[in-house]
Amino acid sequence: DAKTTQPTSMDCAEGRAANLPCNHSTISGNEYVYWYRQIHSQGPQYIIHGLKNNETNEMASLIITEDRKSSTLILPHATLRDTAVYYCIVRGGGGSNYKLTFGKGTLLTVNP
Amino acid sequence: NAGVTQTPKFRILKIGQSMTLQCAQDMNHNYMYWYRQDPGMGLKLIYYSVGAGITDKGEVPNGYNVSRSTTEDFPLRLELAAPSQTSVYFCASIEAGGLGEQYFGPGTRLTVT
Repeated sequence: DAKTTQPTSMDCAEGRAANLPCNHSTISGNEYVYWYRQIHSQGPQYIIHGLKNNETNEMASLIITEDRKSSTLILPHATLRDTAVYYCIVRGGGGSNYKLTFGKGTLLTVNP
Repeated sequence: NAGVTQTPKFRILKIGQSMTLQCAQDMNHNYMYWYRQDPGMGLKLIYYSVGAGITDKGEVPNGYNVSRSTTEDFPLRLELAAPSQTSVYFCASIEAGGLGEQYFGPGTRLTVT
């Protein structure tokens, strides 16, 4: 699976959009981009995933660049409860064992 | 659905003791995983299973054993506990062929002293 690079930490004001970047320059054609988050010491929580098109769900939006070498997770109206470590993970598609490789992620702190 | 459940939530072991961390899921998922997370670090894969009777090693399998006799259960065994195994352990599952969400349990916090 391709390696990802994320900033160690970011701050965001409550109510504003949080934009979390991720670089994955060695991603291959059948690899998906996944985002998970981990609040305090809880189990990681799935947020969203995509292959090459932008995706949106009730939690967030995922913007993937045309060359697929980077992506941005957008939390449109961050709240204090969004303070967490956010992991960007690249994972193979069909035929793989679906395991996730976690880096250190980005600690997002939402400030009042 | 209860999702992925883990027991116990907390445990303190003495060096050399053994224990089994329990994991169960009620979503009929074929794929199950065990991860460990050391302070300030990301999760590392210990073992995984793609179905009943089939298990395989992940990144950090030494000191652990697993079995998968049913689809629902995936216990993790520590035979001779060492301080290096102090960590938080997470179990997870995903349906076969699933490209979506991997479901995680709440974790077991283990301290070996």
